[in-house]
Amino acid sequence: IQLTQSPSFLSASVGDRVTITCRASQGISSYLAWFQQKPGKAPNLLIGSASTLESGVPSRFSGSGSGTEFTLTISSLQPEDFATYYCQQFNSYPLTFGGGTKVEIK
Amino acid sequence: EVQLVESGGGLVQPGGSLRLSCAASGFTFSDHYMDWVRQAPGKGLEWVARTRNKANSYTTEYAASVKGRFTISRDGSENSLYLQMNSLKTEDSAIYYCVRIRGRYYMDVWGKGTTVTVSS
Repeated sequence: IQLTQSPSFLSASVGDRVTITCRASQGISSYLAWFQQKPGKAPNLLIGSASTLESGVPSRFSGSGSGTEFTLTISSLQPEDFATYYCQQFNSYPLTFGGGTKVEIK
Repeated sequence: EVQLVESGGGLVQPGGSLRLSCAASGFTFSDHYMDWVRQAPGKGLEWVARTRNKANSYTTEYAASVKGRFTISRDGSENSLYLQMNSLKTEDSAIYYCVRIRGRYYMDVWGKGTTVTVSS
């Protein structure tokens, strides 16, 4: 299953609302997770099952979607949110990740 | 504290072998699926292999790019995960992360990674 993220690069300001899209090549129900990765660090799980926020993740992050189209939304971008974001499907093997969306400061 | 610490990375020639290790602590190792995920320099994430938990007989899954060359295994008595990598190619160069799976699905704990460089 291929996951296509858009955009691949996003320039935004602190306080902006940001939306990242992940499209699956076939239906994956809600078997999708979102990760945040900062430079030189391992990825960090933000959201599981398309919309379930992980414990400790700020409520400005939210996820939605099912089937083939999913979104990650940051309601008000904070300085610590500048990072690369990946979606990942766990509907079937091989597990796959999207190509990533790099969020940079405008 | 839940912790995963990888080791065993290094420089190896094409066609060579390397064995990665991951020491797990702070949780019941046999209860969890475990994965290896890699990231080539400047690139995205690629899932490599999975071993299921004891309840699922430690069965395994592999990405097509490594099947037949890599073997994932675990030692419950030492709380360790391994990745035996044979017939290495330059495209296997990457940071390799050891990952704990929660509830069969969620990659919830990641190690810091170990770097493998395949080059002549």
